[in-house]
Amino acid sequence: AQSVTQPDIHITVSEGASLELRCNYSYGATPYLFWYVQSPGQGLQLLLKYFSGDTLVQGIKGFEAEFKRSQSSFNLRKPSVHWSDAAEYFCAGGTDSWGKLQFGAGTQVVVTP
Amino acid sequence: EPEVTQTPSHQVTQMGQEVILRCVPISNHLYFYWYRQILGQKVEFLVSFYNNEISEKSEIFDDQFSVERPDGSNFTLKIRSTKLEDSAMYFCASTGTGINYEQYFGPGTRLTVT
Repeated sequence: AQSVTQPDIHITVSEGASLELRCNYSYGATPYLFWYVQSPGQGLQLLLKYFSGDTLVQGIKGFEAEFKRSQSSFNLRKPSVHWSDAAEYFCAGGTDSWGKLQFGAGTQVVVTP
Repeated sequence: EPEVTQTPSHQVTQMGQEVILRCVPISNHLYFYWYRQILGQKVEFLVSFYNNEISEKSEIFDDQFSVERPDGSNFTLKIRSTKLEDSAMYFCASTGTGINYEQYFGPGTRLTVT
């Protein structure tokens, strides 16, 4: 079955440290992949997307993600975390850009001083 | 920048009552969606809508749910007889056509069924 998995429910990181959030997918073909961020009480904001082509994708707020077909992964990274990055992060996948999205369970990121 | 809007931001209703959640998608978008997120759980797809008809729906989207695009701008989700388990954040999303469009999400409507 098609699915998106985020293995880490909760991550704590110090401000200024690097961050990596894991996402694994299970699709028959290369899926469309997205990372969204949700701040408390807010909606879902798109950080970046992968459709095809260059496997290293740059997004907003200094985030990047790398698509690795061999590992069925699309991990999100940021070299230096800011306190404002504390939020919940969702990986999502779909089979085309207009079909339904399947979301992972989310990773809650806590940033400590 | 264009955005998806949703009203109300919070709706409280009693079990068995009908509710209508409203969304205004981005004006030139043609695909519309509803998702929901029960507190502490993942975001789940409910339904997609294109060309004035449902294009896909999930198992959650049973006969108690309906969607409508009553005019050129609004997109609504109706729950006919709410249950306690319908309490969730409901997100509307829209996307354009083409091969490289992402779904833009609204801020959500928090539905509380008492």
